[in-house]
Formats: sequence, C-alpha cells, structure tokens
Amino acid sequence: SQQGEEDPQALSIQEGENATMNCSYKTSINNLQWYRQNSGRGLVHLILIRSNEREKHSGRLRVTLDTSKKSSSLLITASRAADTASYFCATVPPGGTSYGKLTFGQGTILTVHP
Amino acid sequence: EAGVAQSPRYKIIEKRQSVAFWCNPISGHATLYWYQQILGQGPKLLIQFQNNGVVDDSQLPKDRFSAERLKGVDSTLKIQPAKLEDSAVYLCASSWGLSNTIYFGEGSWLTVV
Repeated sequence: SQQGEEDPQALSIQEGENATMNCSYKTSINNLQWYRQNSGRGLVHLILIRSNEREKHSGRLRVTLDTSKKSSSLLITASRAADTASYFCATVPPGGTSYGKLTFGQGTILTVHP
Repeated sequence: EAGVAQSPRYKIIEKRQSVAFWCNPISGHATLYWYQQILGQGPKLLIQFQNNGVVDDSQLPKDRFSAERLKGVDSTLKIQPAKLEDSAVYLCASSWGLSNTIYFGEGSWLTVV
C-alpha cells in the first residue's frame, strides 16, 4: 500500500521560479527520503531527513518535516529545465534499520519551462 | 564507479509466459532490493536481500514471482506465469549496508499482452 500522498500531482512552473511539493504519510517513521525520477530512468536519492529533524538543506533543495502533522515538503529554489522530473517521497518505518525498505508515495510530476 | 546494471531493458511477453530479469549491483554492495513500479505509481518493494539471504519478501507474490541472489552478488527476478497486471518497470537497487543510501538501476520495462 502507498504510505505517502504527494500534492500536487502535477506542477508546471517557469525556469527561475521556486517549486514546492508536499507529502503526507499515515504512520510513524524512522526517516523520510525524497527521490527524483527522470522519464524512463531509475530513481535518484536526493535527501534524507530523520524523524527528529525538522529541516535539511542540500544545494537548491530544502526539506521540512512535521511529524505532528505527518507531512513533509520539498522546496526546489531557482528551478531549471533540468529539474523536470517526477519527485517521490518515501518513508522508512520506526525501528527500521534498512533505509532501502521504502514505502513510496504516488509522486509529483514537475515540469519546468525554459 | 559503475552503477546498478539491469537487463533486459525492455521485454514484451504474452500472458502465461515466463520472464527473468537480471541485476548486477554496485561492487561491494551487500544489500539488494527489487521494486515494482506500475505506470503512474510509486515503486513498491518486492524483496530485499542481505548478501545472499532474504531479509524481507512479504510483498512478493510467491505463487508467480521468485528471486534469488546466488553468491551474494548478482540477482535474478523471475515471473512465471505472467499476468497482464504484471506490466510494470522492475527496478533493482543496492546499498553498501542496511543504513546507507540506496542506488537504483535504470529498470527493466515489462509489457504483458
């Protein structure tokens, strides 16, 4: 079963704008991860945030986590055409020592227009 | 460093036929995963190996799916007999250990007609 639900399902923006994607999940987690998938390709790990963390940054990416609301957001600043892809959140259950035992959401399709 | 290799990239088969997918993880990676991704959905974990032992296969439809990882390196995923609903991308992923970043292959696209 899908753990997370991403919102919006699709997002279309202009190059240079910021893109924000949200993820909600149903059960407690050990950590939450964000992945990018270019069309027809495999997934690429972007960032991991642990349940005791509230915010993490990596380059143009900012991830927040609110465990009380069971939600996370991914912000991509100053977007580029190359950021066009599907973005997935994925969770690891509590006590989970296997960071690859992931439950994925449905994904957000991001299109960045040049 | 070479990534996770998968083959074949594309396969079309008729229902009730069998198919096998092969995965070669990144060198030295002890943990290997197979995921199924149906079009428009997020991936779903099928099976996880640690070296050549199965850690979790709770979501593997064992009546038709099987997987092995001989010698703790390469892995194969087999479907027999295939059903229309097995049409999906089968993604292999690996990691150094249980609590390390996982790396995905490009996937094997299966169409069952």
